[in-house]
Amino acid sequence: ILNVEQSPQSLHVQEGDSTNFTCSFPSSNFYALHWYRWETAKSPEALFVMTLNGDEKKKGRISATLNTKEGYSYLYIKGSQPEDSATYLCALRSNDYKLSFGAGTTVTVRA
Amino acid sequence: DAGITQSPRHKVTETGTPVTLRCHQTENHRYMYWYRQDPGHGLRLIHYSYGVKDTDKGEVSDGYSVSRSKTEDFLLTLESATSSQTSVYFCAIAGGQRTDTQYFGPGTRLTVL
Repeated sequence: ILNVEQSPQSLHVQEGDSTNFTCSFPSSNFYALHWYRWETAKSPEALFVMTLNGDEKKKGRISATLNTKEGYSYLYIKGSQPEDSATYLCALRSNDYKLSFGAGTTVTVRA
Repeated sequence: DAGITQSPRHKVTETGTPVTLRCHQTENHRYMYWYRQDPGHGLRLIHYSYGVKDTDKGEVSDGYSVSRSKTEDFLLTLESATSSQTSVYFCAIAGGQRTDTQYFGPGTRLTVL
């Protein structure tokens, strides 16, 4: 099991503001990094799969970057909306196809 | 949505009883996983399967067993349920490519009294 850390654990953001948070992971033997969005009482929804150093992915107002050499990924939310309130999980996939999840960053968007 | 179903969706049982949860997929994906959701830990891997009859342990496998007799079904069994196994259990599936997403089922809420 790989050590994946997410920070901060939670954050509050005003509607319309942008925010970002971090996922840190061991940089050796990197295979792939996954980001998920997880709403209360639902199942995790896949956002991105990132495999290459320098990767940037975007889905609507949400984007992510990846630095495999230093072992981190950032998730950005631009112009936060109340519907963006959720827990965002990152997970490191090893070459045996197992995912090690971080504990998540819970985002609360205040109207 | 990926074709994953879990059954039952909710179950209440008593300590010491056996419980089996079922995950069924219609995507013909090779990999299947069982996770449990725990506060402060996010999702933790219980067991996973990389093919029919091929399974391996995850981070929190004690007290759980699995079976996969056909591609579409992955069963999780609690041989003798304990209160510490009260949780929400998620099944997930994935293909074999590096860029493949892991898709999650709707979850099963299990309460052990």
